[in-house]
Amino acid sequence: QVQLVQSGAEVKEPGASVKVSCKASGYTFSDSYIHWVRQAPGQGLEWMGWINPVNADTTYAQSFQGRVTMTRDTSITTTYMELSRLRSDDTAVYYCARTRGFDSWGQGTLVTVSS
Amino acid sequence: DVVMTQSPLSLPVTLGQPASISCRSSQSLVYSDGNTYLHWFQQRPGQSPRRLIYEVSNRDSGVPDRFSGSGSGTDFTLKITRVEAEDVGVYYCMQGTHWWTFGQGTKVEIK
Repeated sequence: QVQLVQSGAEVKEPGASVKVSCKASGYTFSDSYIHWVRQAPGQGLEWMGWINPVNADTTYAQSFQGRVTMTRDTSITTTYMELSRLRSDDTAVYYCARTRGFDSWGQGTLVTVSS
Repeated sequence: DVVMTQSPLSLPVTLGQPASISCRSSQSLVYSDGNTYLHWFQQRPGQSPRRLIYEVSNRDSGVPDRFSGSGSGTDFTLKITRVEAEDVGVYYCMQGTHWWTFGQGTKVEIK
């Protein structure tokens, strides 16, 4: 079955960067784009961008451009989302999700930004 | 950006009674290929979102048939025929026609 397994929780100081991973299994990695979505505590869902695992093409939501980088390693069927210049309002659970229709989601990674 | 507006934002429901959530978009969600990329997700407390309905009215595998989706253009609805205790959570609509945006979420709780 399709599985997306994310890396563990992170605590970062303001101004630092965080890199979250999402390992895919149960399907052909190159068949499906991977999206990243975040959810601040008690808030709704916010789309951050996507990556094409075939050629590493990316598109980022305007609100994250310049701070987010999405990459992939096809040898280990893993995609990464790196967010830089962290602020306290970046504290959130970060999810990866598969395909244009978000048919499967990772378990989420809590990133806490605090001094 | 396409704005997705859900109503109500809070929905107290009696067990066994129906529930309905509305989702309206600021632009038509019909894509150039003729499909409408409007999906519904359920997020139970402490869990990741789970897709229930894709492309307006198609139920995902394993989703109970008490859930149904309908609508077209800019106006969409998620219905639950008889709410069960396991349906408690927040429901989101999401459009994938013009990039991707989510509604604010509707919290379903038992009265």
